[in-house]
Amino acid sequence: EPEVTQTPSHQVTQMGQEVILRCVPISNHLYFYWYRQILGQKVEFLVSFYNNEISEKSEIFDDQFSVERPDGSNFTLKIRSTKLEDSAMYFCASFLRGNSPLHFGNGTRLTVT
Amino acid sequence: DQQVKQNSPSLSVQEGRISILNCDYTNSMFDYFLWYKKYPAEGPTFLISISSIKDKNEDGRFTVFLNKSAKHLSLHIVPSQPGDSAVYFCAASYNQGGKLIFGQGTELSVKP
Repeated sequence: EPEVTQTPSHQVTQMGQEVILRCVPISNHLYFYWYRQILGQKVEFLVSFYNNEISEKSEIFDDQFSVERPDGSNFTLKIRSTKLEDSAMYFCASFLRGNSPLHFGNGTRLTVT
Repeated sequence: DQQVKQNSPSLSVQEGRISILNCDYTNSMFDYFLWYKKYPAEGPTFLISISSIKDKNEDGRFTVFLNKSAKHLSLHIVPSQPGDSAVYFCAASYNQGGKLIFGQGTELSVKP
């Protein structure tokens, strides 16, 4: 069964550094998402992306964050200047069309020291 | 902004018995509801969903019930198995899918 893949599985970075989290969504899916889960908290929506542009973003998704689909397969989340509170699991998800489920990757654990 | 709530952080059930996980929501615009299962260090895995035009959907051992008037849904697992032990998230969306709003999760422990 096709799946969403994310790399790396774990990223450690120093505060203030830039990180890029990578995702390969399911190939025929049209909608792409980033979610995050801070330890012990709920899974939170960050941003959705469709037709090469952001379709919706949460208040968490401020100017430090950006997303890109640089080619036909990858979908990336960039955090320009990481903060301690950015430490979380980041999940990429993709979706085909209405009333079908989001499929999630296994996540990237980001640790900011 | 607690649009989707799972009020029980944990549930313990004996193997073979029924597990019932509950979820409440506040936004009447939600039209699609899903349950996800999550193991540590993995992403949420889709289990079962229900459209707001239905009140029940069944898939093997898993059944989801939707009570729109009460804004409540539940997941029944019968019979429960030790491999079902995981965190279960309820999620909801509007405009027929896409962006999901998650509950806080319920950790299910099925004891042999």
